[in-house]
Amino acid sequence: EDQVTQSPEALRLQEGESSSLNCSYTVSGLRGLFWYRQDPGKGPEFLFTLYSAGEEKEKERLKATLTKKESFLHITAPKPEDSATYLCAVHSRRGTSYDKVIFGPGTSLSVIP
Amino acid sequence: DGGITQSPKYLFRKEGQNVTLSCEQNLNHDAMYWYRQDPGQGLRLIYYSQIVNDFQKGDIAEGYSVSREKKESFPLTVTSAQKNPTAFYLCASSIEGVNSPLHFGNGTRLTVT
Repeated sequence: EDQVTQSPEALRLQEGESSSLNCSYTVSGLRGLFWYRQDPGKGPEFLFTLYSAGEEKEKERLKATLTKKESFLHITAPKPEDSATYLCAVHSRRGTSYDKVIFGPGTSLSVIP
Repeated sequence: DGGITQSPKYLFRKEGQNVTLSCEQNLNHDAMYWYRQDPGQGLRLIYYSQIVNDFQKGDIAEGYSVSREKKESFPLTVTSAQKNPTAFYLCASSIEGVNSPLHFGNGTRLTVT
């Protein structure tokens, strides 16, 4: 069964304290892995797409990496404005032109000044 | 600026009443989606549409209905048959369905008592 899990469920960091969020997946026919940021009461906002193992993407203090089984979102020297819930979503082949998209439950990140 | 508009932001209904959530996009995207978000769970797909006048059931379509009469609009009706309708509902769109990031609206929080 296709599945996406994220850990930890919640993470509290001091400002400047680097860490990583994990997204583990079990899907058939991975087409891409997407990271989103969601602020409270808002819709998710797209961050990165990773397509193949070994690929890395960076944006400001965030870096996403991908292996065959998992993806990491590394946060370097976080600031309070990085506080949000981070969602990963895996696109797998459904057998039609439409991808099957499976979302993980998210990691809630709090960065304390 | 292009984007997705969901209205209203908050909606309250009595049990047994149908309610319609609005979703409008001006991104010229062909594909549109409705997701439901509950605490501690990943986003779950309710319905999706790849083209006007066509839509397919997602993973949790029971108790919901949609229409796609215009490219810009994809309203969702939560019927009285939906057993647990209280949730945060998110509308999204993407370039025609294949391995593209989703663009989300800011959601409608529905409370049914």
